[in-house]
Amino acid sequence: DAGVIQSPRHEVTEMGQEVTLRCKPISGHNSLFWYRQTMMRGLELLIYFNNNVPIDDSGMPEDRFSAKMPNASFSTLKIQPSEPRDSAVYFCASTGANEQFFGPGTRLTVL
Amino acid sequence: RKEVEQDPGPFNVPEGATVAFNCTYSNSASQSFFWYRQDCRKEPKLLMSVYSSGNEDGRFTAQLNRASQYISLLIRDSKLSDSATYLCVVQGGNDMRFGAGTRLTVKP
Repeated sequence: DAGVIQSPRHEVTEMGQEVTLRCKPISGHNSLFWYRQTMMRGLELLIYFNNNVPIDDSGMPEDRFSAKMPNASFSTLKIQPSEPRDSAVYFCASTGANEQFFGPGTRLTVL
Repeated sequence: RKEVEQDPGPFNVPEGATVAFNCTYSNSASQSFFWYRQDCRKEPKLLMSVYSSGNEDGRFTAQLNRASQYISLLIRDSKLSDSATYLCVVQGGNDMRFGAGTRLTVKP
């Protein structure tokens, strides 16, 4: 298995632009998580899905952030409009057999 | 108060030293506990699960105290390759909460 796949690996954009991050979880995993990591705040849970249904989105910072999971093999995290304070590494993870597997992350820089 | 709290460190220790990390959690209904390791500019990866009876994996020992809501990780005979950030993780149902991590640097 290729593991959790995220794209793009790096994204540099200007303030105000829309950013879409993509994730393909490990096949057969029923839960998918989106995290954000910064030096100041550490690893923060943004939202998680169970069987494609959003269960807890209380970690989503504000309405500029949205996440979807249209099917079991794909999820997106969208930021519109992006701001410099959104600069971080965004990880997607999926859970199987009580272990959470992380993707390599997307390093987002908003100028 | 954060749900999972860890001493951020950094811990700087010489090779061969024994080092211990602590973690506290606020949700008494939490069911499962883990330690993850994160190398610089990489994703977190599972190091070991933590069981109520305590468990050991080579040089690594993890302990759980449910009454005090406290988890620990002990690394014996530390190696240069142990340098990383160690994340405490607490799970309830499908919800996993990560601590901010404790940074360890092992020096020659």
